[in-house]
Amino acid sequence: GQQVMQIPQYQHVQEGEDFTTYCNSSTTLSNIQWYKQRPGGHPVFLIQLVKSGEVKKQKRLTFQFGEAKKNSSLHITATQTTDVGTYFCAGPRGGSQGNLIFGKGTKLSVKP
Amino acid sequence: DAGVTQSPTHLIKTRGQQVTLRCSPISGHKSVSWYQQVLGQGPQFIFQYYEKEERGRGNFPDRFSARQFPNYSSELNVNALLLGDSALYLCASNNWGGGDEQFFGPGTRLTVL
Repeated sequence: GQQVMQIPQYQHVQEGEDFTTYCNSSTTLSNIQWYKQRPGGHPVFLIQLVKSGEVKKQKRLTFQFGEAKKNSSLHITATQTTDVGTYFCAGPRGGSQGNLIFGKGTKLSVKP
Repeated sequence: DAGVTQSPTHLIKTRGQQVTLRCSPISGHKSVSWYQQVLGQGPQFIFQYYEKEERGRGNFPDRFSARQFPNYSSELNVNALLLGDSALYLCASNNWGGGDEQFFGPGTRLTVL
């Protein structure tokens, strides 16, 4: 069946270091979404990428969607303690809007 | 505007019992999806409802059922609880046709003893 994989599972960085998480889908995606879940919280939508090769930036966060629309990455420049949390990528299953397949997430911890 | 609300926040049940979880979507959102999130994993899709009709079902046993009401709120029911049903149950609403972003509620933490 359709799968979404993320690496690494955990990342520990010193504040100010960069961070990258990678997402790979077993199938071509119509779009990919990224969510952040703070410890004890719920997933919060960060961004959606739709076009092949698309790159979007949100302040220190850079999101990329691969040319084949099967992979994506999230890069954070100069991490801060407020970046702590688990970052999930998710793609629609069979193109269905509310039926998302999530990766297992990358848990980011930032040492001040 | 109020976000997605869920009740209860926490719940403790014993094996074999039944549980009902409730969700109110963002005002104007007609689509509600339910997800199960086990500790250390990503959310897993259980159901989606739109305009009171089931639009999608994940790979969960028949012990799981849901419904959506005329005011677009939703309930998730789980019968014959198993220890493995212990998880965070998340409800997400979506502005169907207005974008794919899912707005998640705070979740219900279910513990089965």
